[in-house]
Amino acid sequence: QVQLVESGGGVVQPGRSLTLSCAASGFTFGSYAMHWVRQAPGKGLEWVAIIWYDGSNKYYADSVKGRFTISRDNSESTVYLQMNSLRGEDTALYYCARGGVSARPDYWGQGTLVTVSS
Amino acid sequence: DIVMTQTPLSLSVTPGQPASISCKSSQSLLYSDGKTYLYWYLQKPGQSPQLLIYEVSKRFSGVPDRFSGSGSGTDFTLKISRVEAEDVGVYYCMQSIQLSLFTFGPGTKVDIK
Repeated sequence: QVQLVESGGGVVQPGRSLTLSCAASGFTFGSYAMHWVRQAPGKGLEWVAIIWYDGSNKYYADSVKGRFTISRDNSESTVYLQMNSLRGEDTALYYCARGGVSARPDYWGQGTLVTVSS
Repeated sequence: DIVMTQTPLSLSVTPGQPASISCKSSQSLLYSDGKTYLYWYLQKPGQSPQLLIYEVSKRFSGVPDRFSGSGSGTDFTLKISRVEAEDVGVYYCMQSIQLSLFTFGPGTKVDIK
């Protein structure tokens, strides 16, 4: 079965960096796009970024463009989210999700919590 | 950018009764390939979101047939024919007509009376 396990969250000061990881199993990782989606405490879902199955294309929400970088290692079945210049409004539970047919987020991990605070 | 709206934002339903959620997009979600890229997700309390409906009306694997989706263009509806206790949570619509940008609606919280 599809399994996605996020890690790397924690408490970080504003302006600092953090890298999240998402380890995938149960499917042919290199054949699927991957997403990051976040959810601020008590708020709704906000799409963050997508990377194509081969890493050839990457797209970002305007709110993170220029600060966050999505990448992947197909040999390790892992997708990453490097987050720079973190702000308080980046505080959220970060989910990775598989991009299924038409890149739709179809399976989701349990999330990793990022708290940006001094 | 495409803006998604949902109504109502909260809904209290008696078990066994139907429920309906509306989702509207600021522009048509019909793509040149003939598909309409509108999805519905349910986030149960304390859980990750789960895909219910894709391309307006197609149920995802394992989704009970009491869930159905309909609509076209900019107006869409998710219906639950007979609400069960396990259906509580927040329902989100999402668009992906541009595979480079995905937008969720604000969510509709459904609880049981």
